[in-house]
Amino acid sequence: RKEVEQDPGPFNVPEGATVAFNCTYSNSASQSFFWYRQDCRKEPKLLMSVYSSGNEDGRFTAQLNRASQYISLLIRDSKLSDSATYLCVVSPSGGYNKLIFGAGTRLAVHP
Amino acid sequence: GAGVSQSPRYKVAKRGQDVALRCDPISGHVSLFWYQQALGQGPEFLTYFQNEAQLDKSGLPSDRFFAERPEGSVSTLKIQRTQQEDSAVYLCASSSLPGQGNTEAFFGQGTRLTVV
Repeated sequence: RKEVEQDPGPFNVPEGATVAFNCTYSNSASQSFFWYRQDCRKEPKLLMSVYSSGNEDGRFTAQLNRASQYISLLIRDSKLSDSATYLCVVSPSGGYNKLIFGAGTRLAVHP
Repeated sequence: GAGVSQSPRYKVAKRGQDVALRCDPISGHVSLFWYQQALGQGPEFLTYFQNEAQLDKSGLPSDRFFAERPEGSVSTLKIQRTQQEDSAVYLCASSSLPGQGNTEAFFGQGTRLTVV
């Protein structure tokens, strides 16, 4: 079983739609949580960190449920430019930020 | 530029050939990571350096893979006797240490290795 599991998609949604991605992780000792965005043939870039209290950045909302080992990302009012692969990432406890990636969920927003 | 720089961007190697991939991290970043990303998958951790010390090489898939960072800045990932299953994008990332400011990991654009 992979340490971080995501629905691979693709999610095909019209502009303006709300879309939610989910992710589960297996290591209960994981300390930090992130969503990264990766455009086709580009490097991953940090979208947002995820906190137990939930956090919002504009149209993006991330939630963490430590008890269920579950992370979510909600995108409201989807734009064409949101089309990308969204990677769920966890970092185990320790002195450096080693990142464990899920396989990614592909989002395609169409007009 | 100010970002992580990797070279070459593309490499085609014949099976059995040795290759060397270079990473120039962001100046001053203590931490340097190598990841391997196969097609349709997320990046998988290979190895970690703190300055010149290789503190974690648990992700290196075989003894054909070797990484170094001799002066604590530029790093090289070497793959000996390449096999077809080594075909992937190799990503380098650098960051500050936890407790020393923003620890976001910044990735280079990667080296796409194709073994034929």
